[in-house]
Amino acid sequence: EAGVAQSPRYKIIEKRQSVAFWCNPISGHATLYWYQQILGQGPKLLIQFQNNGVVDDSQLPKDRFSAERLKGVDSTLKIQPAKLEDSAVYLCASSNGQSLNSGNTIYFGEGSWLTVV
Amino acid sequence: AQSVTQLGSHVSVSEGALVLLRCNYSSSVPPYLFWYVQYPNQGLQLLLKYTTGATLVKGINGFEAEFKKSETSFHLTKPSAHMSDAAEYFCAVSDFPTGNQFYFGTGTSLTVIP
Repeated sequence: EAGVAQSPRYKIIEKRQSVAFWCNPISGHATLYWYQQILGQGPKLLIQFQNNGVVDDSQLPKDRFSAERLKGVDSTLKIQPAKLEDSAVYLCASSNGQSLNSGNTIYFGEGSWLTVV
Repeated sequence: AQSVTQLGSHVSVSEGALVLLRCNYSSSVPPYLFWYVQYPNQGLQLLLKYTTGATLVKGINGFEAEFKKSETSFHLTKPSAHMSDAAEYFCAVSDFPTGNQFYFGTGTSLTVIP
């Protein structure tokens, strides 16, 4: 089956510019996640969707980050305006259930690498 | 709240030698534990997971991990390292009881020396 698709793979922008990342989860996966992975750190959850509803966005910097999943399938993560510290890999992931403790597994995309200069 | 600590940000082993990557967790309830691998310029791939049952978990590519409650550990091992094992390895714990998300460790970079 096709994996989680993300684009663009690489993006370089100047600070204060905006950027958008797109994600298409595995077909049939209702749960979609956006993670931020800063160099040398583990991924940190930004936002979790269940279908088109937000389950958790407590760690999303809402003054500059926004995400949507309007039709409950693909999703877009936007950063506006970008800061230097936003340089990171943005990982999209999906799972076949909301609760990982039910044996569901998260599948990750290859990531979108952002450099802010 | 759950958390994991990975001891050693960089580990080097010779090809054919034992691989041991350490992970300790903190959880007030029985944890669900995972190991993921990340190859250069790629996303994370699930190696193995522990939910309930047998404490020795076997994963892909010859890796295994043992859940030790008394030591709050979930170390990852492989008897014989291969060059293709060079990657970044992340330990993660899911929050309980909802199990909605992961808490990742900071990762261990494995280098395999020929």
